[in-house]
This record gives sequence, structure tokens and C-alpha cells, in this order.
Amino acid sequence: SAVISQKPSRDICQRGTSLTIQCQVDSQVTMMFWYRQQPGQSLTLIATANQGSEATYESGFVIDKFPISRPNLTFSTLTVSNMSPEDSSIYLCSVEEAGNTIYFGEGSWLTVV
Amino acid sequence: AQSVTQPDIHITVSEGASLELRCNYSYGATPYLFWYVQSPGQGLQLLLKYFSGDTLVQGIKGFEAEFKRSQSSFNLRKPSVHWSDAAEYFCAVANQAGTALIFGKGTTLSVSS
Repeated sequence: SAVISQKPSRDICQRGTSLTIQCQVDSQVTMMFWYRQQPGQSLTLIATANQGSEATYESGFVIDKFPISRPNLTFSTLTVSNMSPEDSSIYLCSVEEAGNTIYFGEGSWLTVV
Repeated sequence: AQSVTQPDIHITVSEGASLELRCNYSYGATPYLFWYVQSPGQGLQLLLKYFSGDTLVQGIKGFEAEFKRSQSSFNLRKPSVHWSDAAEYFCAVANQAGTALIFGKGTTLSVSS
């Protein structure tokens, strides 16, 4: 399976600031997704990161708050903008590999104070 | 709309006992079905998946799951639980290849000695 690396793995941020999370895959993948997991909750899809075009956002998530870049088939970033304590979550990058299997990175654990 | 239901929020099993975690999905066609495990402080690890074919699928760590179309279920089983199996278990569904996953709320497994 692909190796998915996320940076940072953990961070503590001040409210009102922004943080960019990076997702690097060791092979080219067509589909990349970003999920949020709030404390004690399940995973919610934020958006599908499309290579070379704008991301496709799910209901409740907007580009101004969660801008996403996908410059190539191995890399994507998610920015959490103007953070508030409610943004404290785990943010997970996932990819679909050949065979339609979806794998996840280790997540980026974000605490907003 | 698709949905995934994991009826059991928390299950406690004695070490060495058998385990069954329930998952029901709502979707017209045969979906792509997955089980993931999340250990404390970790990302998601894929246990097994079902796309088509044999309805009993084997996964890693001694887990298996059975797809039952008539019951819209994809229950996860393990014949003998180990203390290291204590974790959060998520069932997920995708309606076709190349689409994101929809997750259930998860089941927390505790293992007693």
C-alpha cells in the first residue's frame, strides 16, 4: 500500500491563526480526500482534492475556511483558516489506490487555544 | 442518501472470547464496504474490505467480515480477542470506486482480562 505522510503530526495553535497541513504520498494517486475527526467523533469528509482543479467541498465546509491545494498526483495541502477552538480535531488525508482501496495517513492532531 | 449504522457504541469482551461488531448500511446497490481500526492516538488502519465475490472476507489481525445483502449488513468478527485489539472500530461505505467513504459512528472495543 501507499505510504502517506502528514505534517505536522501535532500542533497547538492560537485562535485566529491559520495552519497548513501537508499530505505526501509515495506513489501517484488519482483520488485524495481530506477528513476531519472531532474529539470522540467519527470521520467527516471535508473535501475531495482534485489534481489541477478546485477541490470539491462537502456540505458545511467552504473553501474560504478550508482551502485545499493539489498541485500534483502525490501531494496535497489543507489549510485551516482563522482557527477557533471548535476546529480542534484530527485532520486526515486519505488516498484511493489501485483496486479501489482507501488508505489513511496518521493524521494531524490540531489543538486550538 | 447513503448511511452507515454501527448500533453498538461500546462493547466489552473478555480476552480470548469471540467478538462480533455490527454494521448496517443503507444503499440500493452493492456498495464498497470497509472496516478500519483506530488505536488510541493513531490513524486509521484498514482491516478488510468487500467489493464483490465471496461474501466472507478475511482481513489482517485475524479479523473477518461477512456481507449479507438481505440484511444490509457487514459484521466484523474475530474468534479470539487479544488485549491489543482494544481500539475504536469504524465501518465505512463507498457507493462506487473513486468516491469518498461514509463512516459509521464507530464502536469502542474494550478487552477485559
